[in-house]
Amino acid sequence: EPEVTQTPSHQVTQMGQEVILRCVPISNHLYFYWYRQILGQKVEFLVSFYNNEISEKSEIFDDQFSVERPDGSNFTLKIRSTKLEDSAMYFCASSYREGTEAFFGQGTRLTVV
Amino acid sequence: QKEVEQNSGPLSVPEGAIASLNCTYSDRGSQSFFWYRQYSGKSPELIMSIYSNGDKEDGRFTAQLNKASQYVSLLIRDSQPSDSATYLCAVNPRAAGNKLTFGGGTRVLVKP
Repeated sequence: EPEVTQTPSHQVTQMGQEVILRCVPISNHLYFYWYRQILGQKVEFLVSFYNNEISEKSEIFDDQFSVERPDGSNFTLKIRSTKLEDSAMYFCASSYREGTEAFFGQGTRLTVV
Repeated sequence: QKEVEQNSGPLSVPEGAIASLNCTYSDRGSQSFFWYRQYSGKSPELIMSIYSNGDKEDGRFTAQLNKASQYVSLLIRDSQPSDSATYLCAVNPRAAGNKLTFGGGTRVLVKP
C-alpha cells in the first residue's frame, strides 16, 4: 500500500542550527503538507504546497521556515535557525485532490537543545 | 479563529461495546470532515472521511455529519482493546484549499 515516508525519524539539533526534514509523498498525489504537533498539543497546520508553490501557510510558518520540492519525489521542510520552541513532531502529508483525504507520514521528532 | 472542539476524555468503553465520539466546529462553511486515529507517539492514521450530511459506514466505524448543527461524530462498534487510542477530528474549512484544522482529540480506552 502506498505511504508517505519521512526521514529522519528523530533529529536532535542545537539551537540556531539549520535542519532539513525530508518527505516522499505518495507518488500520484498532487498536494503536499507539513504539520507539527508539540507534545501534548493539537496537530497544527504549517504549509500546503501545490504545483511547485506554496498554496497556503499558517502564522507559524514564518521566515525561518521554507519548503521545497527539489525533484519529482522529495518534499522538504527547512528550518533555518532552530529555536527551543521548534521542538515537536513534524508530519508530512499528501493528498490526491483538494479537500480530500490527506495521508500522513510517520513523522520526524525534532528536539532542539 | 476557526475551532474544532472535542471532549478530551478519556472515554472508557468495555470491550464489545459502542464508543461514541463527538466533534463540533465553528466554521459554518466547512466542507470536508475527517476522523484520524493516533496511537501514542505515532502519526495520525485516517479512518473515515465524510462530506455530506448523514451517516457513512465503513466496517465497525460510522461517521455522522450534521452541518446545520455543525457537528460530526464517530461511532466505533464492537470496540476492541486495539481501538484504544486518541481520535482526532479534522475539518477542512473551505471547499478550496486543503488546510486541516484539528481538534485536540478524544482519548479512548477499551477495557477487556
